[in-house]
Amino acid sequence: QQQVKQSPQSLIVQKGGISIINCAYENTAFDYFPWYQQFPGKGPALLIAIRPDVSEKKEGRFTISFNKSAKQFSLHIMDSQPGDSATYFCAAAYSGAGSYQLTFGKGTKLSVIP
Amino acid sequence: DSGVTQTPKHLITATGQRVTLRCSPRSGDLSVYWYQQSLDQGLQFLIQYYNGEERAKGNILERFSAQQFPDLHSELNLSSLELGDSALYFCASSVLGFTDTQYFGPGTRLTVL
Repeated sequence: QQQVKQSPQSLIVQKGGISIINCAYENTAFDYFPWYQQFPGKGPALLIAIRPDVSEKKEGRFTISFNKSAKQFSLHIMDSQPGDSATYFCAAAYSGAGSYQLTFGKGTKLSVIP
Repeated sequence: DSGVTQTPKHLITATGQRVTLRCSPRSGDLSVYWYQQSLDQGLQFLIQYYNGEERAKGNILERFSAQQFPDLHSELNLSSLELGDSALYFCASSVLGFTDTQYFGPGTRLTVL
């Protein structure tokens, strides 16, 4: 059972454009939603994260939008740059279990073309 | 650089063999998580240790085991290896067992022939 569904699988965006990646979750107990960025040959790195008590969080060009009632959250990358080309993973965790084990989406490969 | 180190970087072995992957967490981090990344399954949580004790278990096979030592480094042991075990294995560390930010290491790529 896939608890976090991510789309699209791949995305091609022109430089300067907006990249949008969507995720949906099933477990309403999840209370922490991070996005990770992974470059080839590297481990995932935390990009930005949100908790369900806010509907939006912005850090630089990266924004998470969160819709608790729809159980969906999305990553927006404004003014996308070729250096943003990477694989992006959404994830979710439930802190009440005393562990922050992450459940990941399948990933979105983003290519930003000049 | 996340501060998490993993060795070896690459490992090639044969079916039926046993291997040990090593992870050193960031200085001061008490918690270590292990994840497996494969093309078909994506990134999956395997197991977590906190200050030497097992804290949570995910989709970890019985052929796999892990431990965390007093110096807080962790080892993931994979035995009776099968072709399907070929994957990237990441460890991540965090300060406590229930804080959010996990810092991932560069991974160990395991190839089972």
